[in-house]
Amino acid sequence: SAVISQKPSRDICQRGTSLTIQCQVDSQVTMMFWYRQQPGQSLTLIATANQGSEATYESGFVIDKFPISRPNLTFSTLTVSNMSPEDSSIYLCSVRAQLYNEQFFGPGTRLTVL
Amino acid sequence: DAKTTQPNSMESNEEEPVHLPCNHSTISGTDYIHWYRQLPSQGPEYVIHGLTSNVNNRMASLAIAEDRKSSTLILHRATLRDAAVYYCILRDQAGGGSNYKLTFGKGTLLTVNP
Repeated sequence: SAVISQKPSRDICQRGTSLTIQCQVDSQVTMMFWYRQQPGQSLTLIATANQGSEATYESGFVIDKFPISRPNLTFSTLTVSNMSPEDSSIYLCSVRAQLYNEQFFGPGTRLTVL
Repeated sequence: DAKTTQPNSMESNEEEPVHLPCNHSTISGTDYIHWYRQLPSQGPEYVIHGLTSNVNNRMASLAIAEDRKSSTLILHRATLRDAAVYYCILRDQAGGGSNYKLTFGKGTLLTVNP
């Protein structure tokens, strides 16, 4: 199994500012993902965080708005840039080891933008 | 992406079996069927997955129709802790191998009555 921690667990931010969310895993993993869960909704995949290269973004998500870093096999960051109230969501980090089918999710970061 | 259809909600009584259905009529021959659940205020957690044969683990059983166009997640004795949103997901194997993405639908909200 993989234990995932996210920082911060929650934050309240002002419109126009940026927030960086950290994801730390207790073991090396091949795949790391970032998801968004808007209030009352299901999870939407934002991007796959690739070690040492640019993240792979899903349709509707762009690097300028959600820059992602992944410097090694246990750590990644997601930045939510130039925030607006529509960015108020829970952001979840998720990981998967290459040889395993099970995907693990972090506890999420609850973001409120005023 | 191959899509899944699940009932929006289901209700069960504690200590009774629960059968959660999922339709996936456009499933391809190499698509795995995954089930995850999301307890209140938590990230999703893996439940079970399968390809063609029925599968059992400590959490649940997965019954897959012979034509693979539907499947059923079976909780043998529901507890209050099983109250969650259950997601049936087809593995989107972009790029082949382990480089697949999980795409979440709306899921089924399971309520367990004491």
